Amino acid sequence: LAKTTQPISMDSYEGQEVNITCSHNNIATNDYITWYQQFPSQGPRFIIQGYKTKVTNEVASLFIPADRKSSTLSLPRVSLSDTAVYYCLVGDAGTASKLTFGTGTRLQVTL
Amino acid sequence: DTGVSQNPRHKITKRGQNVTFRCDPISEHNRLYWYRQTLGQGPEFLTYFQNEAQLEKSRLLSDRFSAERPKGSFSTLEIQRTEQGDSAMYLCASSNEKLFFGSGTQLSVL
Repeated sequence: LAKTTQPISMDSYEGQEVNITCSHNNIATNDYITWYQQFPSQGPRFIIQGYKTKVTNEVASLFIPADRKSSTLSLPRVSLSDTAVYYCLVGDAGTASKLTFGTGTRLQVTL
Repeated sequence: DTGVSQNPRHKITKRGQNVTFRCDPISEHNRLYWYRQTLGQGPEFLTYFQNEAQLEKSRLLSDRFSAERPKGSFSTLEIQRTEQGDSAMYLCASSNEKLFFGSGTQLSVL
């Protein structure tokens, strides 16, 4: 299984860009990289997914180097409401048991 | 709202009782997953359905746990003879390619 490693926590001020890096040295050829956000007492919410290079949507960017052994979630100009736990997943939705969440990164945004 | 729906949101039970949770996935999704999450940890995979077929089960799913998806639509997760260690948030997700989660059922076993 492609195990992921993320920082346990990060702090940021409102308005800053936040980059969260995830290591996944054992990523398989068919694996996608997906990031989720979770607020207390809610289920995780999909943020962004990518396979290689760079993906951008309305809320975040995902940078994946050529070797795909890591990925970086970039949140531009965070606000207080971005305080949450962010999970990096590596796997294929068709092989559910491979979708291992890990402990995630707890992002705290302050004024 | 066409998201994943879970009921009940909260369940308090006494040790030894049986509990059942329900999940209604997004209607066009044929994949359905159950996860368990304890405080401070990420969600842990329990089981996975493709339509009505249960294709994968985690070793976390002891014989006290059973999940069904009889018509390939909604799913139920039953825990028999609950133990205090079963206290957790039980999350359901459905998928086309990306997982969409419900808000979970918070189980407290007293």
